[in-house]
Order: sequence, then structure tokens, then C-alpha cells
Amino acid sequence: GAVVSQHPSRVICKSGTSVKIECRSLDFQATTMFWYRQFPKQSLMLMATSNEGSKATYEQGVEKDKFLINHASLTLSTLTVTSAHPEDSSFYICSARDAGGLYEQYFGPGTRLTVT
Amino acid sequence: DAKTTQPPSMDCAEGRAANLPCNHSTISGNEYVYWYRQIHSQGPQYIIHGLKNNETNEMASLIITEDRKSSTLILPHATLRDTAVYYCIVRVPPLRSSASKIIFGSGTRLSIRP
Repeated sequence: GAVVSQHPSRVICKSGTSVKIECRSLDFQATTMFWYRQFPKQSLMLMATSNEGSKATYEQGVEKDKFLINHASLTLSTLTVTSAHPEDSSFYICSARDAGGLYEQYFGPGTRLTVT
Repeated sequence: DAKTTQPPSMDCAEGRAANLPCNHSTISGNEYVYWYRQIHSQGPQYIIHGLKNNETNEMASLIITEDRKSSTLILPHATLRDTAVYYCIVRVPPLRSSASKIIFGSGTRLSIRP
């Protein structure tokens, strides 16, 4: 089946620094990738949609200058949390749409970000 | 995409069938019912989806009412590993809409007791 990986699985960073999370589709090409955020005991919230080679589309209320998304290839999207603060601590999950099949979305295992 | 309503939590004895309900009274004619689950600290996992006929796969069965306003996900023999949050989502399949994306509601937290 379609596999999506994320790296790192866990990251701890200091307040004010930036951290990059990678999302890769391992066995399929993804022209579209999605980034979600999940706070403890809450549901997943869609942050943005990225299309390969173009700018990401952010959901209402998500700061595009704080959450930089790059989708430079058909198998890789990155999310950079800039100037991270403790309130950015969350579980970040990416999802990739299979461009060669039924266009279904497959989810990565998530990245736990802790900002101290 | 249409909104869904699910009970916040349920529990089920191990080995018994777990029946998870979902209301989607505003579902459109071209929207399908999808089910995903999320085990703690993992990414969501696809379970099953359907339009109007009942569906079954190796994980679960999906029963959709004739008016399509509600559905039930059935895990026939629940195990402890089925403990998770289950999300019912209605949406147009991505093959039919390039704009299709998955929006999660609150889901049902299913606990399986030994």
C-alpha cells in the first residue's frame, strides 16, 4: 500500500528557533500534500494544502509566515515552524494524495513537536 | 462537505462487535461516507468507505441507511488494538474532485475493555 513517512518523529526545540518537518511519499507521486495539526485530546485541524511547484493554500487563521510550506518535488513536502513558541507544541501530521491512482489521501505517522 | 455527528465516546467488550453510529443528514448525492481511525499518537488510518450500498472489507463493515442520512461502522470482533478515535467523514471522492480534502470532526473515542 501507499506509504507516507515523516521525519523527525519527535523533535524538541527551544523557543525562538525554527524547526523543519519533512513529509515523503515513498512509493507514489504526490502532486498535492496536506498538513494537519492536532492538540492533545482534540481532532486534526487542516492547516494548509500544498501543490507541487506552487504556493501553499492556508486555511483561515493559519499564519503563512509562521508555517512555511515547500513542496518542491512530487515526493517531498516540508513544513517549517519559524520562531517557534511553546504554544506551537503539537502533533503535526502530513498527508499525500496519490497522483497516479485514485487520488486518495494517505497519512504519515506524525511528528511530535515540543517547544521549550 | 457535509457535517457529521458522532457520539464522543463508546466502549465495547473484547471479542464483541463494536457498532459506531454516524449521522450525516445533510449528505449530498455525490458524497461518500468514509471512516478513518487514529490510534493514540499515530496518523489516521483508512478503514472503509461507501456510497449507498453496504460495504465490507477485512477490517470492518459499513452499513448505510437507505436515505443515506446515517451509517454504522461495525468492527465484528473487537480487540484491544481497536482502541482508537474513529472518524466518520462525508466527502466527494478525490477522483471526482481535485479540491477534495479530508476535514475531521470530533470523532468517537472507542475503548475496548478486556
